[in-house]
Amino acid sequence: KAGVTQTPRYLIKTRGQQVTLSCSPISGHRSVSWYQQTPGQGLQFLFEYFSETQRNKGNFPGRFSGRQFSNSRSEMNVSTLELGDSALYLCASSSGLASGTDTQYFGPGTRLTVL
Amino acid sequence: AQTVTQSQPEMSVQEAETVTLSCTYDTSENNYYLFWYKQPPSRQMILVIRQEAYKQQNATENRFSVNFQKAAKSFSLKISDSQLGDTAMYFCAYGSGNTGKLIFGQGTTLQVKP
Repeated sequence: KAGVTQTPRYLIKTRGQQVTLSCSPISGHRSVSWYQQTPGQGLQFLFEYFSETQRNKGNFPGRFSGRQFSNSRSEMNVSTLELGDSALYLCASSSGLASGTDTQYFGPGTRLTVL
Repeated sequence: AQTVTQSQPEMSVQEAETVTLSCTYDTSENNYYLFWYKQPPSRQMILVIRQEAYKQQNATENRFSVNFQKAAKSFSLKISDSQLGDTAMYFCAYGSGNTGKLIFGQGTTLQVKP
């Protein structure tokens, strides 16, 4: 089976812009979770989508949003970018049958740099 | 709220030796899962091992094993016969149906020296 893929792998944006990141889960997986990884804050949960619905949400401002399509692919959008949004954004897929306890399989991440 | 703590930011071990990474967590839940993930310098996070809290038997995966002490809320990872390819950052994570997500520790950077 192909693993989790994320595009693009690297992005450079300027403050105030918006960005869209994409994640394709492992075939058959219906849940996609997003995490932000920074040196200072570590790994923080953004949100989880299951069957095109947001099932869980972390403590991030409304500038961070996401969606999931019928083929389980997911996109994450960040509007009005701030310098502090610079991070590695990781996507993880799982079967979705047991939220929070399924084994999650991670993609390689998208490295976002905000100038 | 659940928390996960990894108290060793960095560790090193000689090739072929054994090393133990520590993890403690705090929760009032009874049903949960614990995970160890490995993130090599290439950045792809890989599952190392998974433990279900209701199972008393410690999980093992080849050279990797855990010491799960539920009452003490401790979940350490033992790597036997360390290999150069084990060099990575290791994250301990907690997950439950109530949280609906993984809660990660700050990570331990492990360097395996030849």
